[in-house]
Amino acid sequence: ETGVTQTPRHLVMGMTNKKSLKCEQHLGHNAMYWYKQSAKKPLELMFVYNFKEQTENNSVPSRFSPECPNSSHLFLHLHTLQPEDSALYLCASSLRTSGNLNSYEQYFGPGTRLTVT
Amino acid sequence: KQEVTQIPAALSVPEGENLVLNCSFTDSAIYNLQWFRQDPGKGLTSLLLIQSSQREQTSGRLNASLDKSSGRSTLYIAASQPGDSATYLCAVKTSGAGGTSYGKLTFGQGTILTVHP
Repeated sequence: ETGVTQTPRHLVMGMTNKKSLKCEQHLGHNAMYWYKQSAKKPLELMFVYNFKEQTENNSVPSRFSPECPNSSHLFLHLHTLQPEDSALYLCASSLRTSGNLNSYEQYFGPGTRLTVT
Repeated sequence: KQEVTQIPAALSVPEGENLVLNCSFTDSAIYNLQWFRQDPGKGLTSLLLIQSSQREQTSGRLNASLDKSSGRSTLYIAASQPGDSATYLCAVKTSGAGGTSYGKLTFGQGTILTVHP
């Protein structure tokens, strides 16, 4: 069983709703990531946090708002989404991202299947 | 910009066959390469990680090779079983903007493997 959990596993929301995705890692890691996996497209990195600081925003629309209150928790706040935002959203963690220790594996959660109607 | 391509997109084989999945990447300046397995509707499970200085890694019936100079990796699965049916993803880890290393993984689109009894 993975040390990275995500809730909810499935979410259906309207375009005017506001919802949040939650990720929690129990691995003692310091870096956390959000990825988007759309049908027939490669996984796309959205955000990276290292020691609670955002180090990467991969040109993600502002309707996606990440929050990392501590190294164990990561949220993705959603508002006024579009149908094309429907996808599997995956969270991952690794020991860290910075310095010379750049070989650490990323461990993935099971994902949240999001459907925007 | 790093691009990762996986061939074939889909593969169907009878049980017991040995098979090879291919991955190529455009920028050879990578830190490592990972092979993942993804079951339908689930997250990613890391299978093998090859550091840039390594040529191959083995785990059970799986063997992954890396030829960094030519931008290629292969995943060899010996004596395939129906339980091996899944999507196999290749991902390379490259450095970030400004020379700062961070945990950016660039994924291929995956190979959908079906092993039938």
